[in-house]
Amino acid sequence: ETGVTQTPRHLVMGMTNKKSLKCEQHLGHNAMYWYKQSAKKPLELMFVYSLEERVENNSVPSRFSPECPNSSHLFLHLHTLQPEDSALYLCASSQDYRGLTEAFFGQGTRLTVV
Amino acid sequence: EDKVVQSPLSLVVHEGDTVTLNCSYEVTNFRSLLWYKQEKKAPTFLFMLTSSGIEKKSGRLSSILDKKELFSILNITATQTGDSAVYLCAVGTWAGGTSYGKLTFGQGTILTVHP
Repeated sequence: ETGVTQTPRHLVMGMTNKKSLKCEQHLGHNAMYWYKQSAKKPLELMFVYSLEERVENNSVPSRFSPECPNSSHLFLHLHTLQPEDSALYLCASSQDYRGLTEAFFGQGTRLTVV
Repeated sequence: EDKVVQSPLSLVVHEGDTVTLNCSYEVTNFRSLLWYKQEKKAPTFLFMLTSSGIEKKSGRLSSILDKKELFSILNITATQTGDSAVYLCAVGTWAGGTSYGKLTFGQGTILTVHP
C-alpha cells in the first residue's frame, strides 16, 4: 500500500461511453499526476496538478479531461475513447511538482476500450 | 527531447545470481534519477539518486549514479524469485522558476528469476 488509491482497478467501456477514473492520496502531497502505460512503451505523463491547479497537459487529446477538486483527489474523465486508448492508467503523487522528490504510484486502472 | 534508455530489455537468471541493470540518459535540467520496481501494476519506489558516486543500498539492492557519464546501475545480489519484476528507471528534470518538474521513464528491464 503506497498511500495512493485508484478506482476502479479494471474498466471495460465502449467507444460511446463516459466514465471516470478516481485517485486519492493520503500522503499530504501537493502534486498529483496521471500517467499512461501502454504495452511495450515507457510510462507517459498525461497531466500534472500542483495545489489543485493544472500545470501541464502534455498534449493529451481532449477526450481525456482531468479534474482536481482538492489536493487529495484527482479524477480522469473519459469520453468517446478509441481502442488505442486501452492501457494501464496510473495516478501518482509527490511532495512537490518540481521533480525534486520521489513520486508514489497507485495500483492503476486497467482500461479496455471496445 | 529528454531520453532515458535501459538495458538489457529483459534478463533471465537463476536464484542466487547477481544482476546489474543499466540506465543511461540524455536530458536537460537533470535533478534526480529514480529506480522503481513494477510487479503487477503499481511501480514501487526503490531509490532516488541526486549525487554522483554515492551508493544507495537497501538489503540486496544497491544503486549508484555517474553524472559525468550520464548513467546509473542497479545491482541485485543473491537474487530470489520474488525479485522477478519490471525495473523502471526515471530521470527527474526541472527548469526552475514556475515550470513543472517531470519524470521521464525508460522502457524498463524485465527480470525473471528462476528457482
